[in-house]
Amino acid sequence: EAGVAQSPRYKIIEKRQSVAFWCNPISGHATLYWYQQILGQGPKLLIQFQNNGVVDDSQLPKDRFSAERLKGVDSTLKIQPAKLEDSAVYLCASSLAQGLKGEKLFFGSGTQLSVL
Amino acid sequence: SQKIEQNSEALNIQEGKTATLTCNYTNYSPAYLQWYRQDPGRGPVFLLLIRENEKEKRKERLKVTFDTTLKQSLFHITASQPADSATYLCALPLHSGNTPLVFGKGTRLSVIA
Repeated sequence: EAGVAQSPRYKIIEKRQSVAFWCNPISGHATLYWYQQILGQGPKLLIQFQNNGVVDDSQLPKDRFSAERLKGVDSTLKIQPAKLEDSAVYLCASSLAQGLKGEKLFFGSGTQLSVL
Repeated sequence: SQKIEQNSEALNIQEGKTATLTCNYTNYSPAYLQWYRQDPGRGPVFLLLIRENEKEKRKERLKVTFDTTLKQSLFHITASQPADSATYLCALPLHSGNTPLVFGKGTRLSVIA
């Protein structure tokens, strides 16, 4: 079974530039998450999708971050414009479906973003 | 919302000993708690789930306990090996009910041969 795919693996940009990350979840997984992990911290939830609808985006900085999952499969996370404090690893995760309490998450390897 | 404390940033132990990692939470008691392992440059990998009505869960050399009175979970690795060296994260629902997970900062475990 293929895992969660993310690209690019690394990205270096200058502040105020734009950047986009792509995620393809495990086939059949209805729920998709984007997490931000700053060095030395645990993953912090940015947004959760159930199929192509947003379930929770309460911690997404909407003035600069946006995400979409148009066909309910793969997803794109965008930052525009980037700030120095956005330097982090952006992790995508998927789960079979929300509705079962305690369902485990499957994570991709992440995109490491450096903002200079 | 939930707050999580993993009170050891780093833990060094000798090979063969038992590693014990702590996860404390505030606010409401969650319906379940999960533990993940994260290696450098990789995403977290699920290890164990324990529910509020379970005191203890085991999987091979791993054991998790859940004390809702103390608001604490303990994660044990018995007969530790250098290959167990990694960061271990605990995770709970963000709010009561079936909501997204919030993660602790993690504890970096180093098993020394």
